[in-house]
Amino acid sequence: GAGVSQSPSNKVTEKGKDVELRCDPISGHTALYWYRQSLGQGLEFLIYFQGNSAPDKSGLPSDRFSAERTGGSVSTLTIQRTQQEDSAVYLCASSRNRDGYTFGSGTRLTVV
Amino acid sequence: QQQVKQSPQSLIVQKGGISIINCAYENTAFDYFPWYQQFPGKGPALLIAIRPDVSEKKEGRFTISFNKSAKQFSLHIMDSQPGDSATYFCAAFSGATNKLIFGTGTLLAVQP
Repeated sequence: GAGVSQSPSNKVTEKGKDVELRCDPISGHTALYWYRQSLGQGLEFLIYFQGNSAPDKSGLPSDRFSAERTGGSVSTLTIQRTQQEDSAVYLCASSRNRDGYTFGSGTRLTVV
Repeated sequence: QQQVKQSPQSLIVQKGGISIINCAYENTAFDYFPWYQQFPGKGPALLIAIRPDVSEKKEGRFTISFNKSAKQFSLHIMDSQPGDSATYFCAAFSGATNKLIFGTGTLLAVQP
């Protein structure tokens, strides 16, 4: 596609449930990033994939969070045993270089 | 640790006025400084960017001023329009980590 696609656009889940968020990056973009945006806050870095290199997981807030990227393309962010503080907009971005970060529209996660 | 500090948190400007948003950083390893514009329900989109070997960059009504010695940079929006009403994020990129670090954002409202 022409842009970064994220699904679902909205997700409401019960506390304690697991959720999976999907990101389809722009074709040919080797780098993929996940960020979290809480209400009224900036963008918090979560994880970074670059080609076949080991991902930079330094931003993941707890071991309940994990992500994978299959075939150098689609990425899935998984949150296990969701908590209310996990409620936020999860943004995915892909890039070919530092000048070309393209963000998706995000997944708004609400944990009730 | 807030590596990129952004101010003000919110800003109200009259149509035709100048909007000014300021950012400061500590890490001298940062070597690329973009600004992103975000409308409600959308992901951030790259607006304009500057490298530290340049003191000013202008694109249309948008100008970045960069002060390397003070480790500060700012976004100026000339002739502000209601359509400029959005949240603006400054960011800094380090080639060593390949990550964009974002400021906390400024909510700009341009009144007609």
